[in-house]
Amino acid sequence: GQNIDQPTEMTATEGAIVQINCTYQTSGFNGLFWYQQHAGEAPTFLSYNVLDGLEEKGRFSSFLSRSKGYSYLLLKELQMKDSASYLCAPFDGSYQLTFGKGTKLSVIP
Amino acid sequence: IAGITQAPTSQILAAGRRMTLRCTQDMRHNAMYWYRQDLGLGLRLIHYSNTAGTTGKGEVPDGYSVSRANTDDFPLTLASAVPSQTSVYFCASSDDIGRVNEQFFGPGTRLTVL
Repeated sequence: GQNIDQPTEMTATEGAIVQINCTYQTSGFNGLFWYQQHAGEAPTFLSYNVLDGLEEKGRFSSFLSRSKGYSYLLLKELQMKDSASYLCAPFDGSYQLTFGKGTKLSVIP
Repeated sequence: IAGITQAPTSQILAAGRRMTLRCTQDMRHNAMYWYRQDLGLGLRLIHYSNTAGTTGKGEVPDGYSVSRANTDDFPLTLASAVPSQTSVYFCASSDDIGRVNEQFFGPGTRLTVL
């Protein structure tokens, strides 16, 4: 089975840096995705990691440690529009995505 | 059409009624998926399809059926709706189910079963 754990809610200040952690246990592993979902909208792709290490994409970076079953999403220079839910989704051995319950990030002035 | 469309946007349905949620993509993606999203439970996979003509069960398939007659369309049917099927339903597609590739999501259908 799958077990994905990420914080339910986080709050951070505009302009700051925030790190959203995700730990997972899956039946096989083929990569990990991060999705962003604004309230009332569909999830949209942010990043994915297949190998260990840091993937940087503008203000967003994602890190993966396969041996530890751990990933984080790093958001820099936070903007109000970054207020959203962030979904951690490992890709298991059968190439199925399983989504975590999401971390609701609130960015305050 | 650009990407994935879903219809209807929202629906209120009496319990016991039959309902089909429609999903169409124009990206020629092989794989398609149906998820439901409930508060506190996240996105859960209902059914998926690797390619036209094949379907598979996800985490929560009971009470739902799908068909994949062609590449573009992947309708989800509730044969006899129950209140526990009140949810937001998202359709998604990806280029191929057999390798790491991102899923693209439709705008969702908000379904209320009374």
